[in-house]
Amino acid sequence: DAGVIQSPRHEVTEMGQEVTLRCKPISGHNSLFWYRQTMMRGLELLIYFNNNVPIDDSGMPEDRFSAKMPNASFSTLKIQPSEPRDSAVYFCASSLMAGANEKLFFGSGTQLSVL
Amino acid sequence: GNSVTQMEGPVTLSEEAFLTINCTYTATGYPSLFWYVQYPGEGLQLLLKATKADDKGSNKGFEATYRKETTSFHLEKGSVQVSDSAVYFCALRPNSGYSTLTFGKGTMLLVSP
Repeated sequence: DAGVIQSPRHEVTEMGQEVTLRCKPISGHNSLFWYRQTMMRGLELLIYFNNNVPIDDSGMPEDRFSAKMPNASFSTLKIQPSEPRDSAVYFCASSLMAGANEKLFFGSGTQLSVL
Repeated sequence: GNSVTQMEGPVTLSEEAFLTINCTYTATGYPSLFWYVQYPGEGLQLLLKATKADDKGSNKGFEATYRKETTSFHLEKGSVQVSDSAVYFCALRPNSGYSTLTFGKGTMLLVSP
């Protein structure tokens, strides 16, 4: 039973380049979340989809960040242009339903380094 | 707004020692409370949860009790193992509509043999 799959595991890029992070949620899950983890700020929710529709993108830091979910089995998080302060671990998570008690399943994350 | 405060880490213990990681929260109403654990190089995974006051969540020897009067959800384990070394996150989720998890900053636990 495959879990949440993220790619790539590691990304090193130069400032100004476009970065695309990918996520495949668990089959049948209808909620998908993108989080960013840094030492300074901890775990921050960037955006949340339900049934492929963005419900809350208030955590997206600025217009350089965008996220899409074209279908139930795929989502992308894009940073264009990237900056050194975007360096972090980006996690994708999915769950079966949007409710108070549902369990989030996290991917292994993408370690992004912007030089 | 909602917030979760955890004790600063790292917490360093010897094997078989007693563990407490403090967690307090601020929220409107009565949220559900969670502990997630992150092992090195992995994503977070749910450790335990409690959905109402006085509930006790437990899993793998870890326990936490939902204390409404002190707005706390402290994580405890009677005897830690080296394999428990990880980062532990306390989180809350309001019991209303489209709500998402609010996480604490995490507490690193290091257990030595």
